[in-house]
Amino acid sequence: AQSVTQPDIHITVSEGASLELRCNYSYGATPYLFWYVQSPGQGLQLLLKYFSGDTLVQGIKGFEAEFKRSQSSFNLRKPSVHWSDAAEYFCAVGEGTGNTPLVFGKGTRLSVIA
Amino acid sequence: NAGVTQTPKFRVLKTGQSMTLLCAQDMNHEYMYWYRQDPGMGLRLIHYSVGEGTTAKGEVPDGYNVSRLKKQNFLLGLESAAPSQTSVYFCASSLTGVGNQPQHFGDGTRLSIL
Repeated sequence: AQSVTQPDIHITVSEGASLELRCNYSYGATPYLFWYVQSPGQGLQLLLKYFSGDTLVQGIKGFEAEFKRSQSSFNLRKPSVHWSDAAEYFCAVGEGTGNTPLVFGKGTRLSVIA
Repeated sequence: NAGVTQTPKFRVLKTGQSMTLLCAQDMNHEYMYWYRQDPGMGLRLIHYSVGEGTTAKGEVPDGYNVSRLKKQNFLLGLESAAPSQTSVYFCASSLTGVGNQPQHFGDGTRLSIL
């Protein structure tokens, strides 16, 4: 069965600084990978997804993520963080076969300071 | 497009009371899911449905029941509410259950059990 680890529970960055949120997955085959964002009081919104092909994927709101098979990672990045990016971020992995629900990480809370 | 709509948005119950949370989606999705979100625990899957009339247990199904009588609706029931069920509940849907299908989330229901 697949699993996801987000090592950082909480990260604080300054506005305008770069951001990298870590995600490590465990799955035997090529996984389907997702990043979601949850703003306070709201549901999860899909930021980006990786299925195959180019290992660097672009998403909404200026985010990107890079799939590294050798490191079993799918880290989320943004060159310059805005105060509105403060939210909780979830990484998720899907199986390539079968009909098993996505597995979500426990999330990383991002705080942005002036 | 409404997407995924959850009703109600807030509810306070007394221990032992029963209630039903309603989830409706207008995207003609086959799969629907109920999660609970608690601080530090991430999203935990309660039950999910692979199609009209078919449901399956997730990670934390005890104390909950579900029904999917119509394709667009997925109901989550608490027969005898307990304080441990105080949480934020999220409904989600996906076109199919294949791992490359992202889930679309509602805005959540905040439930407090006194």
